[in-house]
Amino acid sequence: GQSLEQPSEVTAVEGAIVQINCTYQTSGFYGLSWYQQHDGGAPTFLSYNALDGLEETGRFSSFLSRSDSYGYLLLQELQMKDSASYFCAVRAMIKAAGNKLTFGGGTRVLVKP
Amino acid sequence: DAEITQSPRHKITETGRQVTLACHQTWNHNNMFWYRQDLGHGLRLIHYSYGVQDTNKGEVSDGYSVSRSNTEDLPLTLESAASSQTSVYFCASSESLGTDTQYFGPGTRLTVL
Repeated sequence: GQSLEQPSEVTAVEGAIVQINCTYQTSGFYGLSWYQQHDGGAPTFLSYNALDGLEETGRFSSFLSRSDSYGYLLLQELQMKDSASYFCAVRAMIKAAGNKLTFGGGTRVLVKP
Repeated sequence: DAEITQSPRHKITETGRQVTLACHQTWNHNNMFWYRQDLGHGLRLIHYSYGVQDTNKGEVSDGYSVSRSNTEDLPLTLESAASSQTSVYFCASSESLGTDTQYFGPGTRLTVL
């Protein structure tokens, strides 16, 4: 099965940099995804790492290291609107898993002025 | 524009009643999923479907059922609502080919008294 661990909460000030770690135990997966969810809203797809290394999308970057069973989401130049929960997720590399995602418990990011 | 909608957005019901939550998507996606979200548990998969007449159990399927009679809809039924099923329910869809990108509906907040 799959198990993903994230810190429950991170607090930072505007303009700062936040790194949200995701450590996982899984027998094999296609890639690591990140979703953002604002309070009262729906999760929305942010980024995907199929290969080891860094993927950059504007102020957000995501990193994957399969050898270390570890990934992270980096939020730079934090803005108040970045206050949200962030979830990592994997899709298992077994036929029975199909297109199912397993999500981590989520990290709540609070950005202060 | 394609979208995924859920109804009702809020529902209050009593223990023992049957409740059906609707999910409708216009993406023409074959894959549809139902999750529940509770504090401290992230997103947990209830049921999912990979096409018409296909349904599968997720990790927390007890007390829930789904049916898929067309591509657009995957209603979720709580056979006999219990207080433990008070939660926020999200429907999601994704394309047929292997993908980690799921599109989520706005959610339904269900309270069972």
